[in-house]
Amino acid sequence: KAGVTQTPRYLIKTRGQQVTLSCSPISGHRSVSWYQQTPGQGLQFLFEYFSETQRNKGNFPGRFSGRQFSNSRSEMNVSTLELGDSALYLCASSTGVGTEAFFGQGTRLTVV
Amino acid sequence: AQSVTQLDSQVPVFEEAPVELRCNYSSSVSVYLFWYVQYPNQGLQLLLKYLSGSTLVKGINGFEAEFNKSQTSFHLRKPSVHISDTAEYFCAVSALTGANNLFFGTGTRLTVIP
Repeated sequence: KAGVTQTPRYLIKTRGQQVTLSCSPISGHRSVSWYQQTPGQGLQFLFEYFSETQRNKGNFPGRFSGRQFSNSRSEMNVSTLELGDSALYLCASSTGVGTEAFFGQGTRLTVV
Repeated sequence: AQSVTQLDSQVPVFEEAPVELRCNYSSSVSVYLFWYVQYPNQGLQLLLKYLSGSTLVKGINGFEAEFNKSQTSFHLRKPSVHISDTAEYFCAVSALTGANNLFFGTGTRLTVIP
């Protein structure tokens, strides 16, 4: 079966712009989580959605937001981009707590 | 809250030699434990997980890990590494109930030398 698909794979944006990243989970997975990966901070949890509801949120400013649709696809949005937002953004889907999280290949965002 | 410490940021090892990547965790609640591998420009792939039961867990690609509750450790081992094992390895924990999110260590870069 198809894995987790993230689009686009690469993005270059200018400071102050906003960006939307997309994640299509594995069929049947209702939990979608987002992570930010940077060389300095490592892998950090952004938020998790389950059945269109945000269940958990990490310690990120309000510029980072997300949503989940009825088909479990998820988007995350970052507004007023800063240079420090440059990172690999990873999406993971799973069936629930304690189950294997399957990761997409990520979206590499570069803010210039 | 949970936290994970990976004691070695880089581990070089010769091909066919054994390797151990160390992971210690801290948590006020019971947790699940995971090891993930990341190849360049890729996402994360699950190597193995500990949920309950036997403390020795076997995973893919010949890796295994042992959960030690008293030492709050979950070290990853492989008896004989291959060139293809060169990658970044991440230890992670998640709470048994409630939040479905992973807390990751800072990663260990394993480099296998021919």
